[in-house]
Amino acid sequence: GAVVSQHPSRVICKSGTSVKIECRSLDFQATTMFWYRQFPKQSLMLMATSNEGSKATYEQGVEKDKFLINHASLTLSTLTVTSAHPEDSSFYICSARVGQPQHFGDGTRLSIL
Amino acid sequence: AQSVTQLDSQVPVFEEAPVELRCNYSSSVSVYLFWYVQYPNQGLQLLLKYLSGSTLVKGINGFEAEFNKSQTSFHLRKPSVHISDTAEYFCAVSEGDSSYKLIFGSGTRLLVRP
Repeated sequence: GAVVSQHPSRVICKSGTSVKIECRSLDFQATTMFWYRQFPKQSLMLMATSNEGSKATYEQGVEKDKFLINHASLTLSTLTVTSAHPEDSSFYICSARVGQPQHFGDGTRLSIL
Repeated sequence: AQSVTQLDSQVPVFEEAPVELRCNYSSSVSVYLFWYVQYPNQGLQLLLKYLSGSTLVKGINGFEAEFNKSQTSFHLRKPSVHISDTAEYFCAVSEGDSSYKLIFGSGTRLLVRP
């Protein structure tokens, strides 16, 4: 149980493109979903916390207009990287929870050319 | 503010040897503690968690961890490792407030050699 699906697993696109990443909780309704960013050989950095039906809460230093989060239902949250540039290239991971602990998706490798 | 320290960035060990991955945290309130494992190009998989109760926690794949409140530690142990245990291990803490945020340590790469 507690499966989180993240799609796509890998994206390669040109600079200036907007990219949408989906995070779904497959067998439970998630109270909260989280979005993380991970640079090579580094730990996970929380970008934002997302609750269904309300605006996401962004961590300090994360541009909310750059990283748009929509949490339309208890099983789906999306992260859109708008007008992506090479510096946005990274590994993005979502997680979902109902109570403890958080359950993680398999991540999305984003490469901006 | 809470923080998590994983003192070892890499731990090399021979197959079938025991291993301990260290984790210390700082927090002024009660915490929940977690160990996650990450294989290359994948998300995180929960190994074990401490929420309350017994301080010795058993997880998947033969791992266990002990919560030591006085030393603010939550070290991960396995009595005999396999090649397949080679991965990145992250310790994380949550203060259990309404945010349910996780703060991660910097990670420890466990490298199991034959």
